[in-house]
Amino acid sequence: KNEVEQSPQNLTAQEGEFITINCSYSVGISALHWLQQHPGGGIVSLFMLSSGKKKHGRLIATINIQEKHSSLHITASHPRDSAVYICAVSNYGGSQGNLIFGKGTKLSVKP
Amino acid sequence: KAGVTQTPRYLIKTRGQQVTLSCSPISGHRSVSWYQQTPGQGLQFLFEYFSETQRNKGNFPGRFSGRQFSNSRSEMNVSTLELGDSALYLCASSALPGVGKTEAFFGQGTRLTVV
Repeated sequence: KNEVEQSPQNLTAQEGEFITINCSYSVGISALHWLQQHPGGGIVSLFMLSSGKKKHGRLIATINIQEKHSSLHITASHPRDSAVYICAVSNYGGSQGNLIFGKGTKLSVKP
Repeated sequence: KAGVTQTPRYLIKTRGQQVTLSCSPISGHRSVSWYQQTPGQGLQFLFEYFSETQRNKGNFPGRFSGRQFSNSRSEMNVSTLELGDSALYLCASSALPGVGKTEAFFGQGTRLTVV
């Protein structure tokens, strides 16, 4: 079983829809990251959070430490949101903070 | 402020050869981490450097190595290339060590194809 699980793997939405991507993890963490990867390959860091909720424009990220679960929400989705969204956690313990990644969620927003 | 710069962007090598990839972090950042991304395994941590010292290493064979220079630029080297080394190699920089504990800024990656 992977230490970081994301769902769904693939998601197709119509422009304007509200989107939720989920991430569950099984290790103790010091932080959780949401990343966005466009087809060109480069990765953009969207959020880093260790508790509660963060909002940036149409993006909202939440985390529940007790349940080891995080969600990324996109409100009023747009075709330019089409990308792969990756959840990554910074592990406690001997790993000294390197990232463990989920497999990613491929989002396609149709106009 | 310039972002993280990786060179080259694309590379084709033959099995058995070696390759060196370069990463220039954001100005002022002293931590550089390297990752391998393949369709089958996804993103995997390779190693992290801070102030010219390797702080942590992922579960990769010794053919994968790296170093960091005094100006924080980092290189990674893969020797005796195998077909399975074909991947997108990404680096990330952060101001503090322990890339997962602080916001990380990623480069565009180097796509390596081994034939």
